[in-house]
Amino acid sequence: DVKVTQSSRYLVKRTGEKVFLECVQDMDHENMFWYRQDPGLGLRLIYFSYDVKMKEKGDIPEGYSVSREKKERFSLILESASTNQTSMYLCASSSPTGRLNIQYFGAGTRLSVL
Amino acid sequence: GQQLNQSPQSMFIQEGEDVSMNCTSSSIFNTWLWYKQDPGEGPVLLIALYKAGELTSNGRLTAQFGITRKDSFLNISASIPSDVGIYFCAGQLFQGAQKLVFGQGTRLTINP
Repeated sequence: DVKVTQSSRYLVKRTGEKVFLECVQDMDHENMFWYRQDPGLGLRLIYFSYDVKMKEKGDIPEGYSVSREKKERFSLILESASTNQTSMYLCASSSPTGRLNIQYFGAGTRLSVL
Repeated sequence: GQQLNQSPQSMFIQEGEDVSMNCTSSSIFNTWLWYKQDPGEGPVLLIALYKAGELTSNGRLTAQFGITRKDSFLNISASIPSDVGIYFCAGQLFQGAQKLVFGQGTRLTINP
């Protein structure tokens, strides 16, 4: 079974803090994604990485950066956390080969910025 | 960014009832996916649809890829308490696209 692991289920941070959200996948997938989930807005793509050290902005990259130094690990960084970044963050991975590019998700990190 | 229009946004039903939800778009999609998110968990794939008109079942779940390639629906028959959660549709705009476009989600609540 594909396993995508997010390091924290819940995080509470203060405004202005630098926040790291970590994600690890064990299926040797090339693609990794960070989404933000808010009620009524569905899943919105923050950043996408298709290879080590490669990244592409998603729909809402402002206030976020990412790092992919190893294939299995994709980190989301909030340089200076703000209250409007309080949300559920979901990591996903996929392989570009095969019939359909199915994405596999982690359990999510619920971040509260106070 | 592009999003799919998913409806209804929420449903409150009695156990045993059938459920129907759908997704529409102004764009043509190459494939459609339906995911379910249990409370406190990440989304899990339920059904994948590959071609226009395709009807696929997975137990009590049935999904169809619209003939125009611009919509899809998901039906759940004889709902049970473990069907509670948020259901998302997702689409792949073209073959080889690495990103998915997601709907806003349908939150299903079941009264026992």
